[in-house]
Amino acid sequence: DAGVIQSPRHEVTEMGQEVTLRCKPISGHDYLFWYRQTMMRGLELLIYFNNNVPIDDSGMPEDRFSAKMPNASFSTLKIQPSEPRDSAVYFCASSSTGTGDNEQFFGPGTRLTVL
Amino acid sequence: GQQVMQIPQYQHVQEGEDFTTYCNSSTTLSNIQWYKQRPGGHPVFLIQLVKSGEVKKQKRLTFQFGEAKKNSSLHITATQTTDVGTYFCAGLRTNAGKSTFGDGTTLTVKP
Repeated sequence: DAGVIQSPRHEVTEMGQEVTLRCKPISGHDYLFWYRQTMMRGLELLIYFNNNVPIDDSGMPEDRFSAKMPNASFSTLKIQPSEPRDSAVYFCASSSTGTGDNEQFFGPGTRLTVL
Repeated sequence: GQQVMQIPQYQHVQEGEDFTTYCNSSTTLSNIQWYKQRPGGHPVFLIQLVKSGEVKKQKRLTFQFGEAKKNSSLHITATQTTDVGTYFCAGLRTNAGKSTFGDGTTLTVKP
């Protein structure tokens, strides 16, 4: 298995632009998580899905952030318009209730820089 | 809401010294997981503890789950430079759909 796939790996954009981050979870996993990591705030859970349905989006900073999961193999996190304070590493992770440990498998992350 | 506190935030040790990070929850947990994130990398699952008082070992790493299932620790014996990184605990509350991550302890090892 290729693991969790995220794209792009790096994104540099200008303030005000729309940014779309993509994630392909591990096949068969029924949970998908989006995290943001910064030096100041650490690892923050933004939103998570179960069977493609958003369960908890209380971590989404504001209306500029939106996430979708149109099917079991794809999710997007969109920021519109982007701001410099959105600069961070964004991780996608997936897990399965079918496995004993329910461990989360993290993707390599997308490093976002908003100028 | 549930909080998971981790201490210390940073730890600098000389190679060969021991290292311990502690994780404390405000509520009883169903399980606790530990992850390691190397510099520039992503969190990688290490282990899960489920039972009260459980102790698990992975080579030089010893993981403990408290009797009340509210706290946990990770102990590394005789640290090596390959141990550098940030160690996160993640606690799962009963009937919760997601684990809550602590802020992590960043370990640096001086050769």
